[in-house]
Amino acid sequence: GQQLNQSPQSMFIQEGEDVSMNCTSSSIFNTWLWYKQEPGEGPVLLIALYKAGELTSNGRLTAQFGITRKDSFLNISASIPSDVGIYFCAGQLKSSGSARQLTFGSGTQLTVLP
Amino acid sequence: NAGVTQTPKFRVLKTGQSMTLLCAQDMNHEYMYWYRQDPGMGLRLIHYSVGEGTTAKGEVPDGYNVSRLKKQNFLLGLESAAPSQTSVYFCASSPPPGLAGATNTGELFFGEGSRLTVL
Repeated sequence: GQQLNQSPQSMFIQEGEDVSMNCTSSSIFNTWLWYKQEPGEGPVLLIALYKAGELTSNGRLTAQFGITRKDSFLNISASIPSDVGIYFCAGQLKSSGSARQLTFGSGTQLTVLP
Repeated sequence: NAGVTQTPKFRVLKTGQSMTLLCAQDMNHEYMYWYRQDPGMGLRLIHYSVGEGTTAKGEVPDGYNVSRLKKQNFLLGLESAAPSQTSVYFCASSPPPGLAGATNTGELFFGEGSRLTVL
């Protein structure tokens, strides 16, 4: 199946620092999504991207859809303790059918130290 | 709104036993999905449904069966559980793309997960 390479796998940062994570793929995607999963919960959508080169912000979060359509990154500025969780990228293939079949990255575990 | 509800939240099985996970959504979504989450592997699609009475295989369907007899429910069954099926299972739902008035963000709405251990 399709694979997304998400890095880093884990991050330990100090409160107030900025964070950057990214996903790359050998396949072209027409949609990139970033989800956050908190302990004991299901993933929740943070940002959705639809156009190559698109840069979208949601509060302290900024994500970009790579020009080649094969990559995306997520930045978190001025991290706070509640940013802790697993962040997943997900891509929807250009040739996929009517169902929203997403391919997920393996996740980035973020820990924010006080 | 409750959103997407999964039952049970936790279950321990012995190898060879059968069980069914129930997913219920109250958002009138057409599409429903079952994923499994394993450490370091993200979420992998098991089966999905694009409407009542329809099901289709995802990336890792072997050992699982599903049914969508009612629009709001999507059942995941394990006929003969194996230790390799120890995982956290997530149900999700979404509206179909292009539906007038519906969000088209590509967003899936997830349940809280069901942790299954097969001994």
